[in-house]
Amino acid sequence: GQQLNQSPQSMFIQEGEDVSMNCTSSSIFNTWLWYKQDPGEGPVLLIALYKAGELTSNGRLTAQFGITRKDSFLNISASIPSDVGIYFCAGHGLDNYGQNFVFGPGTRLSVLP
Amino acid sequence: GAVVSQHPSWVICKSGTSVKIECRSLDFQATTMFWYRQFPKQSLMLMATSNEGSKATYEQGVEKDKFLINHASLTLSTLTVTSAHPEDSSFYICSANERGLAGGNLYFGPGTRLLVL
Repeated sequence: GQQLNQSPQSMFIQEGEDVSMNCTSSSIFNTWLWYKQDPGEGPVLLIALYKAGELTSNGRLTAQFGITRKDSFLNISASIPSDVGIYFCAGHGLDNYGQNFVFGPGTRLSVLP
Repeated sequence: GAVVSQHPSWVICKSGTSVKIECRSLDFQATTMFWYRQFPKQSLMLMATSNEGSKATYEQGVEKDKFLINHASLTLSTLTVTSAHPEDSSFYICSANERGLAGGNLYFGPGTRLLVL
């Protein structure tokens, strides 16, 4: 079945540094979604991308939908302690059963003061 | 963005009892809702896809008689963990797909933590 790979698996950065993480797939998706999950809570949608090549920003976050439609990246600029959490990417497409959302394993971000 | 709620937030129950968890889309209609479980420090594991007015589609390895899903309306899906046992203790999260939105946006509930004693 469809799978997503996320890298890095985890990262430790200093407060104020920029962060980059990416998501790759062997399949083509129509939509890429990026989520952040805090401990004990449900994932929160950060950015949604709908077109190949699309570059979208949400505050200090920037995400791009890869031209091949098989990858996406998320950048966080000037990280702050509240950026700590797990970041999931998700691809959305259609399969034989209808709508299909596939999630990556997550990137765990730790921000050191 | 769209809001999805879950009730209850926390459940502690005795082994052998059944537990019902509700997932509601508060400001949009959702033709499709998804149920996940998540173990500590692990990713989301899709359990089943719930379609309004039809039977749920379960992922491989998920017992449909153990985890009963009902999606009776466009804003409500329920997950019932029947005869719960300690190994069913987990974090259960639902998500809802905003109906009619091209490309599909998926919004998550805040999760329900289940502890079976």
